[in-house]
Amino acid sequence: AQSVTQPDIHITVSEGASLELRCNYSYGATPYLFWYVQSPGQGLQLLLKYFSGDTLVQGIKGFEAEFKRSQSSFNLRKPSVHWSDAAEYFCAVGPANQAGTALIFGKGTTLSVSS
Amino acid sequence: EAGVAQSPRYKIIEKRQSVAFWCNPISGHATLYWYQQILGQGPKLLIQFQNNGVVDDSQLPKDRFSAERLKGVDSTLKIQPAKLEDSAVYLCASSSQRSGGGLNIQYFGAGTRLSVL
Repeated sequence: AQSVTQPDIHITVSEGASLELRCNYSYGATPYLFWYVQSPGQGLQLLLKYFSGDTLVQGIKGFEAEFKRSQSSFNLRKPSVHWSDAAEYFCAVGPANQAGTALIFGKGTTLSVSS
Repeated sequence: EAGVAQSPRYKIIEKRQSVAFWCNPISGHATLYWYQQILGQGPKLLIQFQNNGVVDDSQLPKDRFSAERLKGVDSTLKIQPAKLEDSAVYLCASSSQRSGGGLNIQYFGAGTRLSVL
């Protein structure tokens, strides 16, 4: 079955500390992978995406993610967290050979930032 | 360019009432999606349109939910009658690529938060 697992429901990080959010996927075909962020009362904003090529991808707001095919993972990282990063983060997967197909989302990880 | 527009932002209704949500996708985007996001979960696809045709509505509860995309632009999602379990955020997204290859970057609206009492 196709699925996305985000093992951490809630993470608290001190401001200035590093961050890693985990994402594992189960997908029968070559995947496209995405990370979205959702602030309270807002829609989903695309942070970064992986389609092919370099397995380390850079996104907006200083985020990066690494695709590891052998581990079926696409973890999100940031070297130094800012208070404004507090939000909910969603990992999503879609088929690489069927553009326009709906995404499958994980249940999300809520990030809290402490001062 | 303007993003995906949705209205209303919030709606509170009683069970068994009807409700409608509206979405205006990014100009030129052929593909439009409606997702349902229940509290504590990720978005789940309800229906997908390619221009004004339905591509996937396998997860749409058709006994109470309906959607249309007249003229291949704006879309309306309706619930009639609403149940308590329909309380959720309804997200509209659009993308510019057709099925069959290429990128699939979906852009989301702010959503409509529905509370059914």
